[in-house]
Amino acid sequence: EVQLVESGGGLVKPGRSLRLSCTGSGFTFGDYAMSWFRQAPGKGLEWVAFIKSKPYGGTTKYAASVKGRFTISRDDSRSIAYLQMNNLETGDTAIYYCSSGSLFWSEYYFDYWGQGTLVTVSS
Amino acid sequence: QSVLTQPPSVSGAPGQRVTISCTGSSSNIGLGYDVHWYQQLPGTAPKLLIYGNNNRPSGVPDRFSGSKSGTSASLAITGLQVEDEADYYCQSYDSSLGGCYVFGTGTRVTVL
Repeated sequence: EVQLVESGGGLVKPGRSLRLSCTGSGFTFGDYAMSWFRQAPGKGLEWVAFIKSKPYGGTTKYAASVKGRFTISRDDSRSIAYLQMNNLETGDTAIYYCSSGSLFWSEYYFDYWGQGTLVTVSS
Repeated sequence: QSVLTQPPSVSGAPGQRVTISCTGSSSNIGLGYDVHWYQQLPGTAPKLLIYGNNNRPSGVPDRFSGSKSGTSASLAITGLQVEDEADYYCQSYDSSLGGCYVFGTGTRVTVL
Protein backbone atom coordinates (compact mmCIF):
# COMPACT_ATOMS: atom_id res chain seq x y z
CA GLU A 1 0.00 0.00 0.00
CA VAL A 2 1.37 3.41 -0.98
CA GLN A 3 1.79 5.78 1.95
CA LEU A 4 3.10 9.30 2.25
CA VAL A 5 3.53 10.73 5.75
CA GLU A 6 4.35 14.38 6.37
CA SER A 7 5.99 15.64 9.53
CA GLY A 8 7.68 18.74 10.88
CA GLY A 9 4.79 21.16 11.04
CA GLY A 10 4.07 23.38 14.02
CA LEU A 11 3.84 26.92 15.33
CA VAL A 12 6.64 29.26 14.27
CA LYS A 13 7.21 33.02 14.49
CA PRO A 14 7.41 35.20 11.36
CA GLY A 15 10.89 35.30 9.89
CA ARG A 16 11.86 31.91 11.31
CA SER A 17 12.51 28.63 9.47
CA LEU A 18 10.93 25.19 9.44
CA ARG A 19 11.74 21.97 7.59
CA LEU A 20 8.97 19.58 6.55
CA SER A 21 9.60 15.94 5.71
CA CYS A 22 7.56 13.54 3.60
CA THR A 23 8.36 9.84 4.02
CA GLY A 24 7.15 7.46 1.35
CA SER A 25 6.57 3.71 1.48
CA GLY A 26 4.93 1.02 -0.64
CA PHE A 27 6.41 2.26 -3.93
CA THR A 28 9.80 2.89 -5.56
CA PHE A 29 10.27 6.42 -4.25
CA GLY A 30 13.16 7.29 -6.55
CA ASP A 31 11.09 6.63 -9.67
CA TYR A 32 8.58 9.40 -8.90
CA ALA A 33 8.53 13.17 -8.96
CA MET A 34 7.49 14.70 -5.65
CA SER A 35 5.62 17.90 -4.94
CA TRP A 36 4.41 20.01 -2.04
CA PHE A 37 1.05 21.73 -1.91
CA ARG A 38 -0.68 23.80 0.73
CA GLN A 39 -4.18 24.76 1.75
CA ALA A 40 -4.80 27.80 3.91
CA PRO A 41 -7.71 27.53 6.37
CA GLY A 42 -10.99 27.51 4.46
CA LYS A 43 -9.23 28.08 1.12
CA GLY A 44 -8.39 26.09 -2.00
CA LEU A 45 -5.34 24.09 -3.00
CA GLU A 46 -2.10 25.84 -3.97
CA TRP A 47 0.95 24.24 -5.54
CA VAL A 48 4.19 25.15 -3.71
CA ALA A 49 7.20 23.22 -5.04
CA PHE A 50 8.11 20.32 -7.30
CA ILE A 51 11.13 18.08 -7.87
CA LYS A 52 11.58 15.59 -10.69
CA SER A 53 13.01 12.14 -10.10
CA LYS A 54 16.78 11.79 -10.55
CA PRO A 55 16.41 9.80 -13.85
CA TYR A 56 14.61 12.88 -15.21
CA GLY A 57 17.23 15.29 -13.94
CA GLY A 58 15.98 16.05 -10.43
CA THR A 59 15.12 19.60 -11.47
CA THR A 60 12.99 21.82 -9.27
CA LYS A 61 10.22 24.36 -9.74
CA TYR A 62 8.64 26.79 -7.27
CA ALA A 63 5.52 28.87 -7.03
CA ALA A 64 6.23 32.59 -7.33
CA SER A 65 4.93 33.14 -3.78
CA VAL A 66 7.70 31.00 -2.23
CA LYS A 67 10.58 31.26 -4.72
CA GLY A 68 13.77 32.29 -2.97
CA ARG A 69 12.40 31.35 0.47
CA PHE A 70 11.52 27.63 0.13
CA THR A 71 13.72 24.77 -1.09
CA ILE A 72 12.55 21.31 -2.08
CA SER A 73 14.97 18.38 -1.99
CA ARG A 74 14.90 14.61 -1.86
CA ASP A 75 16.86 11.73 -0.32
CA ASP A 76 15.92 8.67 -2.36
CA SER A 77 18.03 6.37 -0.16
CA ARG A 78 15.67 7.17 2.72
CA SER A 79 12.52 7.72 0.61
CA ILE A 80 12.10 11.24 1.98
CA ALA A 81 11.24 14.54 0.33
CA TYR A 82 11.93 17.77 2.21
CA LEU A 83 10.61 21.31 2.13
CA GLN A 84 12.93 23.80 3.77
CA MET A 85 10.95 26.95 4.52
CA ASN A 86 12.89 30.09 5.42
CA ASN A 87 11.78 33.63 6.28
CA LEU A 88 8.25 32.43 6.97
CA GLU A 89 5.37 34.87 6.67
CA THR A 90 1.90 34.81 8.23
CA GLY A 91 0.52 34.12 4.74
CA ASP A 92 2.36 30.76 4.75
CA THR A 93 -0.03 29.44 7.40
CA ALA A 94 -1.65 26.34 5.91
CA ILE A 95 -1.87 22.58 5.88
CA TYR A 96 1.04 21.33 3.78
CA TYR A 97 0.58 18.17 1.73
CA CYS A 98 3.17 16.16 -0.14
CA SER A 99 2.28 14.14 -3.20
CA SER A 100 3.92 11.83 -5.70
CA GLY A 101 3.86 12.91 -9.31
CA SER A 102 3.37 10.72 -12.37
CA LEU A 103 4.12 11.83 -15.91
CA PHE A 104 1.27 12.07 -18.42
CA TRP A 105 2.54 13.05 -21.83
CA SER A 106 4.44 16.26 -21.08
CA GLU A 107 3.50 17.12 -17.54
CA TYR A 108 2.61 15.59 -14.20
CA TYR A 109 -0.47 14.69 -12.23
CA PHE A 110 -0.39 13.91 -8.53
CA ASP A 111 -1.58 10.45 -7.67
CA TYR A 112 -0.84 9.80 -3.99
CA TRP A 113 -1.16 12.33 -1.19
CA GLY A 114 -0.14 12.42 2.44
CA GLN A 115 -2.48 13.38 5.26
CA GLY A 116 -0.92 16.83 5.64
CA THR A 117 0.92 18.72 8.36
CA LEU A 118 -0.20 22.06 9.78
CA VAL A 119 2.14 25.03 9.72
CA THR A 120 1.07 28.07 11.68
CA VAL A 121 3.11 31.27 11.37
CA SER A 122 2.21 33.70 14.11
CA SER A 123 3.92 35.96 16.62
CA GLN B 1 -3.81 32.46 -6.86
CA SER B 2 -6.08 30.20 -8.93
CA VAL B 3 -5.96 30.68 -12.68
CA LEU B 4 -8.58 28.04 -13.43
CA THR B 5 -12.18 29.08 -12.72
CA GLN B 6 -14.81 26.72 -11.31
CA PRO B 7 -18.33 27.39 -10.03
CA PRO B 8 -18.30 27.73 -6.23
CA SER B 9 -21.03 25.15 -5.77
CA VAL B 10 -23.28 22.67 -7.53
CA SER B 11 -25.99 20.49 -6.05
CA GLY B 12 -28.23 17.64 -7.02
CA ALA B 13 -30.50 14.98 -5.64
CA PRO B 14 -29.31 11.40 -5.22
CA GLY B 15 -29.24 9.66 -8.58
CA GLN B 16 -29.00 12.88 -10.59
CA ARG B 17 -26.21 14.00 -12.88
CA VAL B 18 -24.12 17.07 -12.09
CA THR B 19 -21.29 18.70 -14.00
CA ILE B 20 -18.47 20.95 -12.87
CA SER B 21 -16.77 23.27 -15.35
CA CYS B 22 -13.13 24.35 -15.26
CA THR B 23 -12.27 27.36 -17.40
CA GLY B 24 -8.68 28.18 -18.23
CA SER B 25 -6.84 30.23 -20.83
CA SER B 26 -4.38 30.12 -23.70
CA SER B 27 -1.44 29.62 -21.33
CA ASN B 28 -2.76 26.44 -19.75
CA ILE B 29 -5.69 24.29 -20.96
CA GLY B 30 -5.90 26.19 -24.25
CA LEU B 31 -2.23 25.49 -24.90
CA GLY B 32 -2.97 21.77 -24.82
CA TYR B 33 -2.01 20.91 -21.26
CA ASP B 34 -4.02 18.12 -19.74
CA VAL B 35 -6.52 18.49 -16.93
CA HIS B 36 -6.68 16.37 -13.80
CA TRP B 37 -9.37 16.29 -11.12
CA TYR B 38 -9.17 15.76 -7.36
CA GLN B 39 -11.83 15.05 -4.77
CA GLN B 40 -11.41 16.34 -1.22
CA LEU B 41 -13.83 14.89 1.32
CA PRO B 42 -14.38 17.07 4.41
CA GLY B 43 -11.35 17.09 6.70
CA THR B 44 -9.24 14.83 4.49
CA ALA B 45 -6.43 15.08 1.95
CA PRO B 46 -7.16 15.44 -1.77
CA LYS B 47 -7.53 12.25 -3.79
CA LEU B 48 -6.88 11.82 -7.51
CA LEU B 49 -10.17 11.30 -9.32
CA ILE B 50 -9.42 11.77 -13.03
CA TYR B 51 -6.05 12.12 -14.78
CA GLY B 52 -5.22 13.06 -18.34
CA ASN B 53 -8.64 14.64 -18.97
CA ASN B 54 -10.69 11.44 -18.93
CA ASN B 55 -8.81 8.57 -17.27
CA ARG B 56 -9.91 7.04 -13.98
CA PRO B 57 -7.36 5.55 -11.56
CA SER B 58 -8.05 2.08 -10.32
CA GLY B 59 -10.84 2.10 -7.75
CA VAL B 60 -12.61 5.25 -8.91
CA PRO B 61 -16.20 4.46 -9.88
CA ASP B 62 -17.20 4.93 -13.52
CA ARG B 63 -19.85 7.40 -12.32
CA PHE B 64 -17.06 9.96 -12.58
CA SER B 65 -15.97 11.10 -16.05
CA GLY B 66 -13.98 13.97 -17.48
CA SER B 67 -13.72 15.82 -20.76
CA LYS B 68 -11.74 18.68 -22.23
CA SER B 69 -12.36 21.06 -25.12
CA GLY B 70 -10.62 24.26 -26.08
CA THR B 71 -9.76 26.27 -22.98
CA SER B 72 -12.15 24.36 -20.69
CA ALA B 73 -12.71 21.00 -19.07
CA SER B 74 -15.61 19.35 -17.26
CA LEU B 75 -16.15 16.72 -14.60
CA ALA B 76 -19.45 14.83 -14.65
CA ILE B 77 -20.87 12.79 -11.82
CA THR B 78 -23.75 10.54 -12.82
CA GLY B 79 -25.93 8.67 -10.33
CA LEU B 80 -24.99 11.15 -7.59
CA GLN B 81 -24.52 9.53 -4.16
CA VAL B 82 -24.41 10.97 -0.66
CA GLU B 83 -20.75 10.03 -0.34
CA ASP B 84 -19.92 12.25 -3.33
CA GLU B 85 -20.48 15.34 -1.17
CA ALA B 86 -17.04 16.95 -1.25
CA ASP B 87 -14.90 19.68 -2.78
CA TYR B 88 -13.62 19.10 -6.31
CA TYR B 89 -10.59 20.75 -7.89
CA CYS B 90 -9.31 20.76 -11.45
CA GLN B 91 -5.55 21.05 -12.03
CA SER B 92 -3.38 21.70 -15.04
CA TYR B 93 -0.02 23.19 -16.02
CA ASP B 94 0.51 26.83 -16.94
CA SER B 95 3.34 28.01 -19.16
CA SER B 96 3.53 31.49 -17.65
CA LEU B 97 6.00 32.51 -14.91
CA GLY B 98 8.46 29.85 -16.04
CA GLY B 99 5.91 27.06 -15.78
CA CYS B 100 3.80 26.15 -12.79
CA TYR B 101 1.08 23.79 -11.67
CA VAL B 102 -2.28 25.47 -11.24
CA PHE B 103 -5.53 24.54 -9.57
CA GLY B 104 -9.10 25.56 -10.05
CA THR B 105 -10.94 27.64 -7.49
CA GLY B 106 -12.76 24.55 -6.24
CA THR B 107 -16.40 23.44 -6.34
CA ARG B 108 -18.43 22.20 -3.38
CA VAL B 109 -20.85 19.45 -4.40
CA THR B 110 -23.91 19.15 -2.17
CA VAL B 111 -26.26 16.18 -2.31
CA LEU B 112 -29.77 17.41 -1.54
